[in-house]
Amino acid sequence: ETGVTQTPRHLVMGMTNKKSLKCEQHLGHNAMYWYKQSAKKPLELMFVYSLEERVENNSVPSRFSPECPNSSHLFLHLHTLQPEDSALYLCASSQTTSREETQYFGPGTRLLVL
Amino acid sequence: AQSVTQLGSHVSVSEGALVLLRCNYSSSVPPYLFWYVQYPNQGLQLLLKYTSAATLVKGINGFEAEFKKSETSFHLTKPSAHMSDAAEYFCAVSHPNTGGFKTIFGAGTRLFVKA
Repeated sequence: ETGVTQTPRHLVMGMTNKKSLKCEQHLGHNAMYWYKQSAKKPLELMFVYSLEERVENNSVPSRFSPECPNSSHLFLHLHTLQPEDSALYLCASSQTTSREETQYFGPGTRLLVL
Repeated sequence: AQSVTQLGSHVSVSEGALVLLRCNYSSSVPPYLFWYVQYPNQGLQLLLKYTSAATLVKGINGFEAEFKKSETSFHLTKPSAHMSDAAEYFCAVSHPNTGGFKTIFGAGTRLFVKA
């Protein structure tokens, strides 16, 4: 595997379900990000982890719970979601010691909440 | 504070025509600027980036962008559109001292290419 991978690619869940999204980066980066991309809205930064510590949490509802067990893996745990949480969830990674810290994105998980 | 504005949520061109996607930024210091492309059901892919070296930046798939400080612009161009260029394009800006944590993305411009 190369780059940034995300599983599953598609997920349908009910509002009472609990599920997790997984992201893995194979680039040797030390920062990872979760974004939410909804139709007709700008990309929304949700969480940032740098060196496995959360450094950014943009007022995301507590029904979204991130976990970063090491610099290569990032999870987004989901529980009691709402239909408006349906979106494409993108993971990205970057190297914070590089000059411009370009972010590299995974393919995303398309989430549908029923 | 930084911001980025993409003019036009939709742009339509004919195959073989010039592609011009507009991006204007606001930053108190010289920024880093990026263009990403997103194909349907995929993540964002880096097309090119400006990091204070040459003002004309060449990217993948024949795209290029020119940093114009006087106009605070970083427009994306391609001389001849191809059907495969149909996608959504995002301009992004980051501050040299805050890096990826504070990368701001534009709202995106969807490019349609007509046969």
